[in-house]
Amino acid sequence: DTAVSQTPKYLVTQMGNDKSIKCEQNLGHDTMYWYKQDSKKFLKIMFSYNNKELIINETVPNRFSPKSPDKAHLNLHINSLELGDSAVYFCASSQFRREQETQYFGPGTRLLVL
Amino acid sequence: DAKTTQPNSMESNEEEPVHLPCNHSTISGTDYIHWYRQLPSQGPEYVIHGLTSNVNNRMASLAIAEDRKSSTLILHRATLRDAAVYYCILRDKGSGNTGKLIFGQGTTLQVKP
Repeated sequence: DTAVSQTPKYLVTQMGNDKSIKCEQNLGHDTMYWYKQDSKKFLKIMFSYNNKELIINETVPNRFSPKSPDKAHLNLHINSLELGDSAVYFCASSQFRREQETQYFGPGTRLLVL
Repeated sequence: DAKTTQPNSMESNEEEPVHLPCNHSTISGTDYIHWYRQLPSQGPEYVIHGLTSNVNNRMASLAIAEDRKSSTLILHRATLRDAAVYYCILRDKGSGNTGKLIFGQGTTLQVKP
């Protein structure tokens, strides 16, 4: 069974469109994250939710809106897509236990904006 | 946020040990040292973590310097499947333990057959 799954795996779309990426974890964790990996392979945190409450918002443009309907799901909606949004988006989850928590990552969603 | 410094790339031969260094001279007294790796076209995966003492698990060993300003991830017998980017990360303590991982550029490990 996949621990952290994301859909879709690939997403190709035009500039200006609105798209959503979904993430689900079956590990029983209480915290979920979105990370972005750009073309230079740098991984950077975007958002985090703990028990459905937003706890990290790393100055991401307002066009990005995360939503956590329950502890097992964290979705990412992106409005008015721009060329610079092309990247790989990784979802992750963990059990929030301070310094020793291990994060489990999904396989990534490869977004290409044309 | 305390930062880490790693070599951009390293090479190893298959079935030989690999020592991946990491410098973290500004580490605070209670920061844990975590290692993750990212295999090609996959998400990062946890490898090992430690605080002061050396640690071993089925994937690797972590050797931590006595002053904690550096550490070394040890793969005892590298395989082709170990070719990945290895990230040394200090757990963020500056934001009230929000859990975020701060990734650097990591070390790209190439394993030659």
